[in-house]
Amino acid sequence: AQTVTQSQPEMSVQEAETVTLSCTYDTSESDYYLFWYKQPPSRQMILVIRQEAYKQQNATENRFSVNFQKAAKSFSLKISDSQLGDAAMYFCAYRRNAGGTSYGKLTFGQGTILTVHP
Amino acid sequence: NAGVTQTPKFQVLKTGQSMTLQCAQDMNHEYMSWYRQDPGMGLRLIHYSVGAGITDQGEVPNGYNVSRSTTEDFPLRLLSAAPSQTSVYFCASGPGGSYFGPGTRLTVL
Repeated sequence: AQTVTQSQPEMSVQEAETVTLSCTYDTSESDYYLFWYKQPPSRQMILVIRQEAYKQQNATENRFSVNFQKAAKSFSLKISDSQLGDAAMYFCAYRRNAGGTSYGKLTFGQGTILTVHP
Repeated sequence: NAGVTQTPKFQVLKTGQSMTLQCAQDMNHEYMSWYRQDPGMGLRLIHYSVGAGITDQGEVPNGYNVSRSTTEDFPLRLLSAAPSQTSVYFCASGPGGSYFGPGTRLTVL
C-alpha cells in the first residue's frame, strides 16, 4: 500500500522569505501523480500544484514550485516570497495513474501547519 | 457553476442516530469520493465512485454507506452514528479529487 509522510508538523517563515515543506512517499508503482493541497482556516481544500511522475521537469505555479526526486521518493514544496495569505495547513497527496478506479483514490500525508510572520 | 456543494456544514448527532451527508457536483465528473479528516491523520478515503451505479470502499469504510444513482449526487450515509465518527467530512470530485467541497463538521455525542 502507498504511504505518504510529512515529517514536519509545523513550520514558520517570515513574510517575503522562502520556505520548503517536505514530503516523502512509498510506492511500488512507476506511474503516479503527486499533489500539494492548501487548507486555510476556512477549511476549504485548494489544489496548489501537481506533478506527474513521468515528467522530468519540476512543476511550478507562480510562487509555488516543487522539487521532485523520484529515486528518493521525495516531493518537497517551495514557497517563495511568502505572504500572510499562505498561512495554512499543507497536505501532500499521492495517487496512482493506472486508470479506472485509481482516479478517485488519493492518499494523504498528515499535514504541515505553516505560519507566516509579518 | 457551483462546483462541489455539501450539506449540512455542521451537524451534531447522538450515538445511534442516522443521517445522510449530501454531496453534489455540476461538472459532470464521473469520479467522486468521500474523505474524513482527523487531527494528525490527514484525509482518509471512505468510499468512492467511478460513475452512476458504481461504488467501492476506500481505506475506512466501516459504518458508512454510499450509493450513486446520478452523476451529480453522491450521498454518504451513517446508519448508526458512533463517537468515533466525529470528524470533518469532505466530498471530492474529478480525477484525483481535483475539486473539494467545503466540508461538513460532524460531532457525535
